[in-house]
Amino acid sequence: GENVEQHPSTLSVQEGDSAVIKCTYSDSASNYFPWYKQELGKRPQLIIDIRSNVGEKKDQRIAVTLNKTAKHFSLHITETQPEDSAVYFCAASSSGANSKLTFGKGITLSVRP
Amino acid sequence: DVKVTQSSRYLVKRTGEKVFLECVQDMDHENMFWYRQDPGLGLRLIYFSYDVKMKEKGDIPEGYSVSREKKERFSLILESASTNQTSMYLCASSQGDLNEKLFFGSGTQLSVL
Repeated sequence: GENVEQHPSTLSVQEGDSAVIKCTYSDSASNYFPWYKQELGKRPQLIIDIRSNVGEKKDQRIAVTLNKTAKHFSLHITETQPEDSAVYFCAASSSGANSKLTFGKGITLSVRP
Repeated sequence: DVKVTQSSRYLVKRTGEKVFLECVQDMDHENMFWYRQDPGLGLRLIYFSYDVKMKEKGDIPEGYSVSREKKERFSLILESASTNQTSMYLCASSQGDLNEKLFFGSGTQLSVL
């Protein structure tokens, strides 16, 4: 099955700096890669996703890049703010009725004011 | 907004008890999921369902069963609760493509004593 790994497990940045969170996946059939943000005590929420036919996608201060050859994808957050502090989960899945969405273990991002 | 409601925020049960966790979504979503979240392990898929009365095993189905008698409701059943099932349980739903744009509930923190 799919194996998704996230690096690093924790990340601390100064407010205003950029943050990059990387994930690798193992299954070359995976074609959908979402990122979820979970603030402390709250539910995970989708913040951005990308399909394998696209190399990069942006939404205001966040962007996701995908390298299918190397089987890794990254979340980029620019101009970080304290409210960006959360746990970020990457995930990967293939298509089909029985496909499963496999999550990474999560990365804790801390933005220092 | 999509609302995914889990019946209990906190639950304390004894070893050997039969436990029911209920989840209801109000947006007529076809797909529903049960994940468990443990520190350092991320989100792991227990079971999912893409239609009424349909169920598929996820990555860690052992010790669990599910029921989906109505489209809006997906129940997770612990037949005989054990201490290693102490965890945060998250329900989610999605529309259309199975694993895209999951909406999560607030979670049920289950403690098995």
